[in-house]
Amino acid sequence: EAGVTQFPSHSVIEKGQTVTLRCDPISGHDNLYWYRRVMGKEIKFLLHFVKESKQDESGMPNNRFLAERTGGTYSTLKVQPAELEDSGVYFCASSQPGQGSLETQYFGPGTRLLVL
Amino acid sequence: KQEVTQIPAALSVPEGENLVLNCSFTDSAIYNLQWFRQDPGKGLTSLLLIQSSQREQTSGRLNASLDKSSGRSTLYIAASQPGDSATYLCAVDNYGQNFVFGPGTRLSVLP
Repeated sequence: EAGVTQFPSHSVIEKGQTVTLRCDPISGHDNLYWYRRVMGKEIKFLLHFVKESKQDESGMPNNRFLAERTGGTYSTLKVQPAELEDSGVYFCASSQPGQGSLETQYFGPGTRLLVL
Repeated sequence: KQEVTQIPAALSVPEGENLVLNCSFTDSAIYNLQWFRQDPGKGLTSLLLIQSSQREQTSGRLNASLDKSSGRSTLYIAASQPGDSATYLCAVDNYGQNFVFGPGTRLSVLP
């Protein structure tokens, strides 16, 4: 079974440009999460989709970030316009809801974004 | 290959008790170690991050320690509350490679 995949693996852009990151969750997983690790700092939650709906977007840093999950399959995270502080690694994770208990989140390899 | 384990797998304590969660890793060449809490149906919440050069970090009632040479970290929770009930995960970051999560400790704090 294929795991969570992310594209691209690396992206280098200039300040002010737009970048779109893509995440393909494990097939059949309703939950999709985005996380970010800014250079040298902790991994932090950005938002959570349940199917195509945004369940929790409390971690989104500002309105330059837009996440979508049309059709409840893959998700995109667009940064527009990108700023220097947006550099870091963006991780996606997916899970299937547990039955009243914890579900294991499966992480993708991440997209390394560098804004110059 | 880095392997991360956590002990105990589950823990149930009465409210007010102090407790310790353990995390062990096999490769001591780590960049940092992070503790998370996970609630059902929610994203992971970052609790504490310890850089490889640090020995401990504190946030409120939480204290995390790191002993790289022995491949261990502990998360100390003081004066536990029912709201602390969750699963606690440690994740080890191996210098630019993907991070590795432990299996978690499921904590129940009883009122």
